[in-house]
Amino acid sequence: GAVVSQHPSWVICKSGTSVKIECRSLDFQATTMFWYRQFPKQSLMLMATSNEGSKATYEQGVEKDKFLINHASLTLSTLTVTSAHPEDSSFYICSASRPAISGNEQFFGPGTRLTVL
Amino acid sequence: AQSVTQLDSHVSVSEGTPVLLRCNYSSSYSPSLFWYVQHPNKGLQLLLKYTSAATLVKGINGFEAEFKKSETSFHLTKPSAHMSDAAEYFCVVSVGGNEKLTFGTGTRLTIIP
Repeated sequence: GAVVSQHPSWVICKSGTSVKIECRSLDFQATTMFWYRQFPKQSLMLMATSNEGSKATYEQGVEKDKFLINHASLTLSTLTVTSAHPEDSSFYICSASRPAISGNEQFFGPGTRLTVL
Repeated sequence: AQSVTQLDSHVSVSEGTPVLLRCNYSSSYSPSLFWYVQHPNKGLQLLLKYTSAATLVKGINGFEAEFKKSETSFHLTKPSAHMSDAAEYFCVVSVGGNEKLTFGTGTRLTIIP
């Protein structure tokens, strides 16, 4: 159990366009989902925390107008990179938690590799 | 504030020999500690977690870690390395009821045939 999927697994887009990444909890309801960014050969950096039905909480230094997060249901959160630029190219990873069952353990998706040309 | 320091960015061991990946943590409160593994182009998988129960934690694939409060350490070990263990390993901390995870910088484990 506790499977998290992401779609797409990789995407290439032109500079200035917007890209949407989906994160789904397949077999459980996730009250909280997290979005991370991972640069090559580096660690994961938390971008934002989203709770179903409320606005996301962004980490310091993350532009909320650029990285739009929507958590419309207990099984789906989306990250939209608006007006993408080459510096937004990265590996984006989502995770979900189910505190009532697993405490603060997070279940991670396989990631989405974004390349902006 | 909470943080973790992974003392080695890269560890190489021969197949069949022991593995030691080192992690030190810093937190103002009792921490929860995790080790995750990331294989190339795959999602992070939880190896084991410490949440204030037994200090010696056994995980999947023969890995275990010992929480040592006096040394603020949570080192990951395995008695005998296997080729499939080659991956990136992250030590992770969270504090109290806070769901936020703070990741270490990672240790790349290479297994020599």
